[in-house]
Amino acid sequence: ETGVTQTPRHLVMGMTNKKSLKCEQHLGHNAMYWYKQSAKKPLELMFVYNFKEQTENNSVPSRFSPECPNSSHLFLHLHTLQPEDSALYLCASRVDRGTYGYTFGSGTRLTVV
Amino acid sequence: EDKVVQSPLSLVVHEGDTVTLNCSYEVTNFRSLLWYKQEKKAPTFLFMLTSSGIEKKSGRLSSILDKKELSSILNITATQTGDSAIYLCAVEEVEYGNKLVFGAGTILRVKS
Repeated sequence: ETGVTQTPRHLVMGMTNKKSLKCEQHLGHNAMYWYKQSAKKPLELMFVYNFKEQTENNSVPSRFSPECPNSSHLFLHLHTLQPEDSALYLCASRVDRGTYGYTFGSGTRLTVV
Repeated sequence: EDKVVQSPLSLVVHEGDTVTLNCSYEVTNFRSLLWYKQEKKAPTFLFMLTSSGIEKKSGRLSSILDKKELSSILNITATQTGDSAIYLCAVEEVEYGNKLVFGAGTILRVKS
């Protein structure tokens, strides 16, 4: 385990469903991120939170809605997704401007049917 | 637009071979370059490079940054099947110090 825990590991949802992805870390990190990894494409940054404040929204469709209630938890709320949203969603955390890169969670494999 | 390009896209070698993976980047205000290894799901941190010409080593892996050429290489000597993974390169900018821009990765497969 990396210290960043994501649940669920796998999720299959219909296009009309509402679901949430959860990310949790107790590493004392204060920056948290959502990334999307699709097959044969680079990791795409979705959202950045620093000290619970959203500092970046990388032109993500509104059907993805992040929430960061505290420095240890990050959620990604999903509603009315499309099949092309099927991907691996990775959460990462980091000490703000730290010297060691991100610590990634194991991801949630999302399939939209 | 910032860009990180990795080559080759995929590579198949035999155990014991030495491999060199490449990463080139175009960013406005470079802060650091990072290498990650992704085996199943969670990418794991390998190296963070900020200074040009200084090699970082960890066992059979080493990496070096060339700021003049805007590139980095990751070397793996005496490869083992456990080295099979996707190797990701990412670049961080000064202004956006908390954001990493990733390349598409190099898929390495080591055959026994």
